[in-house]
Amino acid sequence: GAGVSQSPRYKVAKRGQDVALRCDPISGHVSLFWYQQALGQGPEFLTYFQNEAQLDKSGLPSDRFFAERPEGSVSTLKIQRTQQEDSAVYLCASSLVRTSGRNEQFFGPGTRLTVL
Amino acid sequence: ILNVEQSPQSLHVQEGDSTNFTCSFPSSNFYALHWYRWETAKSPEALFVMTLNGDEKKKGRISATLNTKEGYSYLYIKGSQPEDSATYLCAFHNFNKFYFGSGTKLNVKP
Repeated sequence: GAGVSQSPRYKVAKRGQDVALRCDPISGHVSLFWYQQALGQGPEFLTYFQNEAQLDKSGLPSDRFFAERPEGSVSTLKIQRTQQEDSAVYLCASSLVRTSGRNEQFFGPGTRLTVL
Repeated sequence: ILNVEQSPQSLHVQEGDSTNFTCSFPSSNFYALHWYRWETAKSPEALFVMTLNGDEKKKGRISATLNTKEGYSYLYIKGSQPEDSATYLCAFHNFNKFYFGSGTKLNVKP
């Protein structure tokens, strides 16, 4: 069956541009997570959705970052007025049940964002 | 700041060698420890979810142990093969959210 997909796989943006990154989770998965991985670092939590509800957005680094999951399936991470420090790999993961640290997360391949 | 540390950062071994690496995490508020295998240009793939102190899990040639009291987990690969070349990530969950280490990059030479 289909896994988690993300698009685009690569995105180059000029500083100040807005970008939108898409995540298609596994069908029926309730939980959806976004992570940011800077070069040489591990993934860092950005935000979490349970169905369409954004239950935790404590990891979003600034108000330029916005995420939504309006119908409880596809999610979009939007970054406004991109800065060079936003350059990173953005990973999406989904999980079948409501968040529990003991459930397996299924990751997408990530979107590599480069801001020039 | 909650630290999850992995060592070594990178490892080069010959095909057939056995190897192991470490994930260190806080010993308080432990809920779960996950191991992932991440090959270049692919998605991270879950290896193990570990929850109990003393847990030992095995999948083929790969196994993992967990010590929650002292805050560490070991991942072992027996008889490394070139296809084991990947970055191995651990993630600690503290009842709230996941905290990832920066990974151990394993390169297995034929």
